Amino acid sequence: RKEVEQDPGPFNVPEGATVAFNCTYSNSASQSFFWYRQDCRKEPKLLMSVYSSGNEDGRFTAQLNRASQYISLLIRDSKLSDSATYLCAVKGWSGGYQKVTFGTGTKLQVIP
Amino acid sequence: GAVVSQHPSRVICKSGTSVKIECRSLDFQATTMFWYRQFPKQSLMLMATSNEGSKATYEQGVEKDKFLINHASLTLSTLTVTSAHPEDSSFYICSANGLTYNEQFFGPGTRLTVL
Repeated sequence: RKEVEQDPGPFNVPEGATVAFNCTYSNSASQSFFWYRQDCRKEPKLLMSVYSSGNEDGRFTAQLNRASQYISLLIRDSKLSDSATYLCAVKGWSGGYQKVTFGTGTKLQVIP
Repeated sequence: GAVVSQHPSRVICKSGTSVKIECRSLDFQATTMFWYRQFPKQSLMLMATSNEGSKATYEQGVEKDKFLINHASLTLSTLTVTSAHPEDSSFYICSANGLTYNEQFFGPGTRLTVL
């Protein structure tokens, strides 16, 4: 089983739609969780950290479910500019040092 | 957020040559830096963790003699791809995790093409 798993998509949604991505992780001792956005041929950019209580940033809402070991990202009122690949990232201790493991990413295409 | 720079952004070289990529944290000190590789349409794959003042920790399957990492200061880590071959052509990205930042911040990446 992969350490961090995501549905690769693509998710094709119309403008204005709400779309949700999930990401599961295998290490129950993982400490921190993040969502990154990566545009084609560019580096990943931090979208938001994910907190146990859930957090919201404008149209984006992230949630963490430690019991089921998954994190989610909800995008409301999708814009064309939201088209990108969304990577979840999980940080935890491995072999004596902290390491961040990324999922394969979920591709989102917002259609006019 | 923190700023991480990478140089060069793009390099094309002949097979057998060595290529050095620099990763710098511009406005913070980075005790740990990470080197990733990403092939087209694939995920980021962690190659190694670079710790200031000590040896890098390599992920399984990554040849430490081929991918030399040096983290001589709190703001600079370098990755040298030795005797590069066409199969080493990829997008190499570094990230930094500073003392006060929980998140990782990425450099803009280096696109390596080996002919």
